[in-house]
Amino acid sequence: SYVLTQPPSVSVAPGKTARFTCGGNNIGSKSVHWYQQKPGQAPVVVIQYDSDRPSGIPERFSGSNSGNTATLTISRVEAGDEADYYCQVWDISRDHAVFGGGTKLTVL
Amino acid sequence: EVQLLESGGTLVRPGGSLRLSCAASGFTFTRSAMNWVRQAPGRGLEWLSYIADRDSGGRTYYADSVRGRFTISRDDSRNTLYLQMNSLRVEDTALYYCAKRRDYGDFLFDSWGQGTLVTVSS
Repeated sequence: SYVLTQPPSVSVAPGKTARFTCGGNNIGSKSVHWYQQKPGQAPVVVIQYDSDRPSGIPERFSGSNSGNTATLTISRVEAGDEADYYCQVWDISRDHAVFGGGTKLTVL
Repeated sequence: EVQLLESGGTLVRPGGSLRLSCAASGFTFTRSAMNWVRQAPGRGLEWLSYIADRDSGGRTYYADSVRGRFTISRDDSRNTLYLQMNSLRVEDTALYYCAKRRDYGDFLFDSWGQGTLVTVSS
């Protein structure tokens, strides 16, 4: 089955840049979607189709995808960005949705 | 506004059964594919099951962890999604989310409910 690998945690100071990686075999050939989940809340899409921001998501959020790694970048990090971030793809070979294990963002 | 309201979660004994419901509103339910996703306490998101809309044949897919034990279904006349869970295990303890698939393009979850908690314990 297709596996997405994310580091468990990222820490960054306010105003700095946070980068979240999502590793998968030839993930660059798939569309990757990123979700933000704050404590006690349901997930929300922050990046869709590798790099597209849904309406209402700040421009500080951006994404890229190439080779075996997709990346979510949050610029000028704010305290309110503290959350868990998950990448997700559709594994067409098995008709399964796949999530990465998630990365917890701590704002120092 | 899309609203998804899950219900049916409770404490159940190992080996028991439970049916979860998800009442949908604010969109054309009959034209949307739906999913169940769960999150064990302190853990990540796990996709469980998908059901296509009727026009797409209503086909269903399952994660290996629940195939043969869980059954997804929908009642379009009631705008409601279901998850029948049988042979429950302690490791099925989780918050269960109903999630709508985006109606076009690639597979992503564009709306989520707030979840219903299932606890499997003796």
